[in-house]
Amino acid sequence: GAGVSQTPSNKVTEKGKYVELRCDPISGHTALYWYRQSLGQGPEFLIYFQGTGAADDSGLPNDRFFAVRPEGSVSTLKIQRTERGDSAVYLCASSPYGGPGTGELFFGEGSRLTVL
Amino acid sequence: AQSVTQLDSQVPVFEEAPVELRCNYSSSVSVYLFWYVQYPNQGLQLLLKYLSGSTLVKGINGFEAEFNKSQTSFHLRKPSVHISDTAEYFCAVSDLTGNQFYFGTGTSLTVIP
Repeated sequence: GAGVSQTPSNKVTEKGKYVELRCDPISGHTALYWYRQSLGQGPEFLIYFQGTGAADDSGLPNDRFFAVRPEGSVSTLKIQRTERGDSAVYLCASSPYGGPGTGELFFGEGSRLTVL
Repeated sequence: AQSVTQLDSQVPVFEEAPVELRCNYSSSVSVYLFWYVQYPNQGLQLLLKYLSGSTLVKGINGFEAEFNKSQTSFHLRKPSVHISDTAEYFCAVSDLTGNQFYFGTGTSLTVIP
């Protein structure tokens, strides 16, 4: 597709379950970002990939959160032992350059996660 | 690290009236500045950006913003708003490496007919 694609668009799960959220960036974009947006808040940085490697994962809140990008395109955000506080919209963005300062971030529509 | 403060969480304005959405940032290093817009049920999209050069930046849909280094501000303006401008607006800042990108809490603009 032409834009950043995120699946699922909505995910409802129970506390303690494992969840995977997928992001398919714009073809050719080397940089990929994950953000979390809670109600009434701005997007909160989680992790940034340059190619296959995580260039900066300082935003991941704890070790229950993990993300991979094995072939340098599609990325998966993995959340173990989900908690109610994990409920949020998870946003993915990609960029054709090494960082947003040299271009812009292109965002997907997000995956809304609800933990019951 | 950088941070962004959007001073108004909600701004109602009548159609065809001017609007200003305020953004202040904090940083010990040089920064890039951005405004993003999020229309209902859509993803974030770039409205405009300041990287260098002229401090007055023009973006899409008639919006503009002015970078004021002394006041550490990057306020967004439009001289005449339309109903279709109703959306959530986010100010964002990054350092020059671009590895981290910090967003404000957003301003909800509601244009009243």
